[in-house]
Amino acid sequence: QVQLQESGPGLVKPSETLSLTCTVSGGSMSSYYWSWIRQPPGKGLEWIGYIYYSGTTNYNPPLRSRVTISVDTSKNQFSLKLSSVTAADTAVYYCVREEATRAFDIWGQGIMVTVSS
Amino acid sequence: DIQMTQSPSTLSASVGDRVTITCRASQSISSWLAWYQLKPGKAPKLLIYKASSLESGVPSRFSGSGSGTEFTLTISSLQPDDFATYYCQQYKNYPWTFGQGTKVEIK
Repeated sequence: QVQLQESGPGLVKPSETLSLTCTVSGGSMSSYYWSWIRQPPGKGLEWIGYIYYSGTTNYNPPLRSRVTISVDTSKNQFSLKLSSVTAADTAVYYCVREEATRAFDIWGQGIMVTVSS
Repeated sequence: DIQMTQSPSTLSASVGDRVTITCRASQSISSWLAWYQLKPGKAPKLLIYKASSLESGVPSRFSGSGSGTEFTLTISSLQPDDFATYYCQQYKNYPWTFGQGTKVEIK
């Protein structure tokens, strides 16, 4: 079955760029949307954005100026870059598969990223 | 953006109880609503999609109902594995948005 696994640094300095990668195993990336969602400590879930397997992207407006999501289907991976981070970007970051009618059907376990000097 | 409001924020219940969580949308989302279960350290789990469709592998004690702006998630007989936080999410209009969550605690 399809599984997702996030990887990347758990600590990022303020003003720097947060970079995470999601590896998709057990299936193809074709015909799906691939999203990033985050959850700050003690708070709710926030959708960051998606990339379609073909490369089309859509970002949440409050984050749009700082977010880039890219895909490498040859490696079955997609990535998140979030620039100019502050403490408010401290969160658990999830990579998620999105299916058009079934919403977010497969999630990674999440990776905690702390923004601190 | 479409605002999603869940109630209650916290719910204390016992094993075997029937539990209902409500989710309201700030405008009509037809049936484009999903429910998720979150537990610390585990991958979140899709329970219900399109308001009332049970995701494959999810126990039948979970059910969803509603359309338009009012939705409910019901657990017919709460089991020990069900103590978790539940979120609703609309996927009618971008940006996708979530409710604030309902934590189901042991009474």
